[in-house]
Amino acid sequence: GENVGLHLPTLSVQEGDNSIINCAYSNSASDYFIWYKQESGKGPQFIIDIRSNMDKRQGQRVTVLLNKTVKHLSLQIAATQPGDSAVYFCAEKGSLFSGGYNKLIFGAGTRLAVHP
Amino acid sequence: DARVTQTPRHKVTEMGQEVTMRCQPILGHNTVFWYRQTMMQGLELLAYFRNRAPLDDSGMPKDRFSAEMPDATLATLKIQPSEPRDSAVYFCASGYTGDRRRVQQFFGPGTRLTVL
Repeated sequence: GENVGLHLPTLSVQEGDNSIINCAYSNSASDYFIWYKQESGKGPQFIIDIRSNMDKRQGQRVTVLLNKTVKHLSLQIAATQPGDSAVYFCAEKGSLFSGGYNKLIFGAGTRLAVHP
Repeated sequence: DARVTQTPRHKVTEMGQEVTMRCQPILGHNTVFWYRQTMMQGLELLAYFRNRAPLDDSGMPKDRFSAEMPDATLATLKIQPSEPRDSAVYFCASGYTGDRRRVQQFFGPGTRLTVL
C-alpha cells in the first residue's frame, strides 16, 4: 500500500530499544480500539486490539495501553527490530454519530523507522 | 490461512476508461469495506456492505464510482470514467460484525491504480 508519507510523524529508534507510538482518539464513547501495521507495498495488518473495559493488553512483544480519561491510546513495542519498520495506525470503533458501529475510524498514522 | 484477495494488484489505465477492482472476502465474514489510500488523504472509507447490502457509500463519488456485492464471495468497485485524481491504492477489507463489541477488519493487499 502507498503509505501516507508527506506529513506523517516519524519515530526513529535504534534496534533493540523499546518503541512507544501514541494516538489520540476523538470519541469518548468509543469502546473498542485496534492497532494496525502497514509495511510498504502491503495492506494494513492487525496487531492488537483492546476494549474499553481494559486499560492494558499484551501480545507478543507488543502492549497496548488505553487511557480513557484523556482519550489516549499507545502501542509499545519491546526490543524493536528492523522488521518493525512500518506505518502504524490506531483505529477506534465508530459510533452512531460517526457513521455507525460497523465502521472503524482510522488515525493518520505514525511512521516507525528502526535503525541498526 | 484465510485472507482477503484482491485483483488486479496493479492497474494502469488512461483517463476515461472503466476500471473494475475485485475483492474476495474471507469466508464467513459478513461485512466488506472499500478504502482508498493516497499520500495526501491517507486511508479513506469509500463504502461498505453488510450481508451483501450496501450500508454506507457516503465516502464515494457517486457520479463515477459504484460498488456492488453480487454474491458473498465477490465484491466489486467500479470507476467509470476514470480520472487521474483517482490514482491511489484501493483496499478491500472484510470482517464479522455480528458482535458489535469487536469490528476487527482484515485487509487485502490492495490494487494500485494509476490513471494517466
